[in-house]
Amino acid sequence: QQNVQQSPESLIVPEGARTSLNCTFSDSASQYFWWYRQHSGKAPKALMSIFSNGEKEEGRFTIHLNKASLHFSLHIRDSQPSDSALYLCAVSLDSNYQLIWGSGTKLIIKP
Amino acid sequence: GALVYQYPRRTICKSGTSMRMECQAVGFQATSVAWYRQSPQKTFELIALSTVNSAIKYEQNFTQEKFPISHPNLSFSSMTVLNAYLEDRGLYLCGARLQNSDYTFGSGTRLLVI
Repeated sequence: QQNVQQSPESLIVPEGARTSLNCTFSDSASQYFWWYRQHSGKAPKALMSIFSNGEKEEGRFTIHLNKASLHFSLHIRDSQPSDSALYLCAVSLDSNYQLIWGSGTKLIIKP
Repeated sequence: GALVYQYPRRTICKSGTSMRMECQAVGFQATSVAWYRQSPQKTFELIALSTVNSAIKYEQNFTQEKFPISHPNLSFSSMTVLNAYLEDRGLYLCGARLQNSDYTFGSGTRLLVI
């Protein structure tokens, strides 16, 4: 059974700083990796995804995947108060896209 | 844009009774619908995945007898929690997608059991 862990559980970062969120998974056969963001009271929305080793950058957000170390991460540069949310990582083994979720990191960006 | 509506947003049911929740996809065709549960202090667990023209696939610890799901067309799905008890309380999330696109999620149905 796939085990997906996130760290830290919560994080407070000053505005303008760089934020790093981590996700580890247990099944080396995992193929699809996502970060979702859930603002309070709203549905989780897909933020970024990555399907092969390496990095992918979209605006202020960078996702990094290292399958050998069973780890992927999300980095936010120039963090903004609007980035404050619950960040969830999710992993899928196959193209059926059945997601196994981490428990989330609560991020607060302080002005 | 693609939207998913879930209703009710919040419901309370008495222990031992049943509760039906609905999921509506707007702006796209939901070929797959996934139902998740977020129990207090826990992550989202996949309950079942429903794909049009395929049998509904339930995850371990979840059964059709307890969580019957209907996916009658490409815009609607419903799930019932039968004989709800305290351990069934939580946020039930519906995610829908067209073929291999990313899931779009609803805001969830929060179930309280008293």
